Amino acid sequence: AQSVTQPDIHITVSEGASLELRCNYSYGATPYLFWYVQSPGQGLQLLLKYFSGDTLVQGIKGFEAEFKRSQSSFNLRKPSVHWSDAAEYFCAVGTSYGQNFVFGPGTRLSVLP
Amino acid sequence: DVKVTQSSRYLVKRTGEKVFLECVQDMDHENMFWYRQDPGLGLRLIYFSYDVKMKEKGDIPEGYSVSREKKERFSLILESASTNQTSMYLCASSSRILHTGELFFGEGSRLTVL
Repeated sequence: AQSVTQPDIHITVSEGASLELRCNYSYGATPYLFWYVQSPGQGLQLLLKYFSGDTLVQGIKGFEAEFKRSQSSFNLRKPSVHWSDAAEYFCAVGTSYGQNFVFGPGTRLSVLP
Repeated sequence: DVKVTQSSRYLVKRTGEKVFLECVQDMDHENMFWYRQDPGLGLRLIYFSYDVKMKEKGDIPEGYSVSREKKERFSLILESASTNQTSMYLCASSSRILHTGELFFGEGSRLTVL
């Protein structure tokens, strides 16, 4: 069965600093990987996804993620964090037919002015 | 703009009441899901449906039922609400077309059971 871990429960960064959120997965086949963001009291919004091809994927809001098969990782990065990026971030793995999603526990990001 | 719409953002119910949470998607998606989100527990799958009139239990189906009579609509039912069902409920949908299958989420329904 697939699983997703996000080692950091809470991260605090200063505005303008770079950001990396970690995600490790366990999956027997080719993983379909996603990062979602959730603002307080809202639903989840897709930031980016990886299905195949280039292992560095670009997403919305200036985020990118790199798939590393050898490390079973799909870390999310942003070169310069904005105060509006404060939110909860979820990594997820799914299958090719839009089913069997497994979510990580989430990482809460706080941004200092 | 594609959308998943949940009928109620906030509900307050009393113990023992029957609760309906409605979800509608306009993307012609085959797959629909109900999740529950609680602090420290992440997203937990309650039920999902791959087609009309189809339903499958997720990880925490106890105390819940679902209905999918039309492709675009997936309802979550709490037959007799209890205080431990106070939570944020998220509906989502996805396409079964190969290589397109990310989840699209609604805004969530925050249910308080008194």
